[in-house]
Amino acid sequence: AQSVTQPDIHITVSEGASLELRCNYSYGATPYLFWYVQSPGQGLQLLLKYFSGDTLVQGIKGFEAEFKRSQSSFNLRKPSVHWSDAAEYFCAVGAWGFGNEKLTFGTGTRLTIIP
Amino acid sequence: DADVTQTPRNRITKTGKRIMLECSQTKGHDRMYWYRQDPGLGLRLIYYSFDVKDINKGEISDGYSVSRQAQAKFSLSLESAIPNQTALYFCATSDLGAGGGTQYFGPGTRLTVL
Repeated sequence: AQSVTQPDIHITVSEGASLELRCNYSYGATPYLFWYVQSPGQGLQLLLKYFSGDTLVQGIKGFEAEFKRSQSSFNLRKPSVHWSDAAEYFCAVGAWGFGNEKLTFGTGTRLTIIP
Repeated sequence: DADVTQTPRNRITKTGKRIMLECSQTKGHDRMYWYRQDPGLGLRLIYYSFDVKDINKGEISDGYSVSRQAQAKFSLSLESAIPNQTALYFCATSDLGAGGGTQYFGPGTRLTVL
């Protein structure tokens, strides 16, 4: 069975500073990896996803993530955060095929932006 | 209009009551899902459906049931609500195009069981 670990429950970053949110996964085959963002009172919005190919994936809102198979990681990055990036971020691993088409989510990282 | 809608958005009920949460989608996807979100636990899968005739239990299905009335509608029921079912509930749909699928989430239903 697949699993996801987001080791940071809460991160505080100054506006304009760079950001990296960590995600480690466990899965026996090539994973499908996702980052979702949840703004207060909202549903989840897909930021980016990795299925295959280039290990550096670009997403919406200036986010990117890098798949590192050797480290079982899929960390999310942004070079300069904006106050509007304050939200909760979820990493997820998906298993497709053989009827196992569902996502397993991490516990989330809450991002606070300070002026 | 939103592609995935959930009704109601908020609900307060009492222990022992039967509750139904509804989800509708206009994305034309066959796959639909119900999750619950609890603080510090992320999202956990309750039930999922690959088509109208295919319904599967997720990791936390006890105390819940579902009905897939049509391709576009997937309802979640709590037959006898209990306080530890207080949570934020999300419906999602999924495509399965080339390169894998993406799940699209509704806005959520906040359920409080007193």
